[in-house]
Amino acid sequence: NAGVTQTPKFQVLKTGQSMTLQCAQDMNHNSMYWYRQDPGMGLRLIYYSASEGTTDKGEVPNGYNVSRLNKREFSLRLESAAPSQTSVYFCASSLGQGGNQPQHFGDGTRLSIL
Amino acid sequence: EDQVTQSPEALRLQEGESSSLNCSYTVSGLRGLFWYRQDPGKGPEFLFTLYSAGEEKEKERLKATLTKKESFLHITAPKPEDSATYLCAVQGPGGTGKLIFGQGTTLQVKP
Repeated sequence: NAGVTQTPKFQVLKTGQSMTLQCAQDMNHNSMYWYRQDPGMGLRLIYYSASEGTTDKGEVPNGYNVSRLNKREFSLRLESAAPSQTSVYFCASSLGQGGNQPQHFGDGTRLSIL
Repeated sequence: EDQVTQSPEALRLQEGESSSLNCSYTVSGLRGLFWYRQDPGKGPEFLFTLYSAGEEKEKERLKATLTKKESFLHITAPKPEDSATYLCAVQGPGGTGKLIFGQGTTLQVKP
């Protein structure tokens, strides 16, 4: 049972470079989410997709774009990376949006921007 | 503004020494409170969901409880393998599924 798979696990970029973080889930979940985790800040929502074909901004969307490619895959793109985007990025999925639907997380992408 | 605060920030226990972690929240219309465990270099792992005041859930040495303003994660007779960061998150109204996370409590259990 793979659950939520994120690639790559680690990446180093230079300021101004672009990159796409990939996420795929095999649990037939409808909703998918992208978070960033920074020391002392907790997990913060960047974008989410309530269902295939829809995406919405979260708490910290600036500098990012997302694509819900199909029901399984949800990618996060940094068009012009900045040092402030150095973080650990987590993808999560849930069966639906309701209050009784826990989110399940991947193991993250550790991104450093020089 | 919806907010989640966890305390203490860090906790060191001896093996077998029971204690509790606190999660205080302010949210208009709680739809669910979630507890996660996060090991170093890993993503959060789901533990419990609580929906209403008075509710309790148990799993091995862990028991989560909920009041109208806070949740507690009680750890009974902890073992070194319980060492991890424990995260609390709340889901408010609106049906979007968005979670608001606390900053976590890092627990270290020494043998």
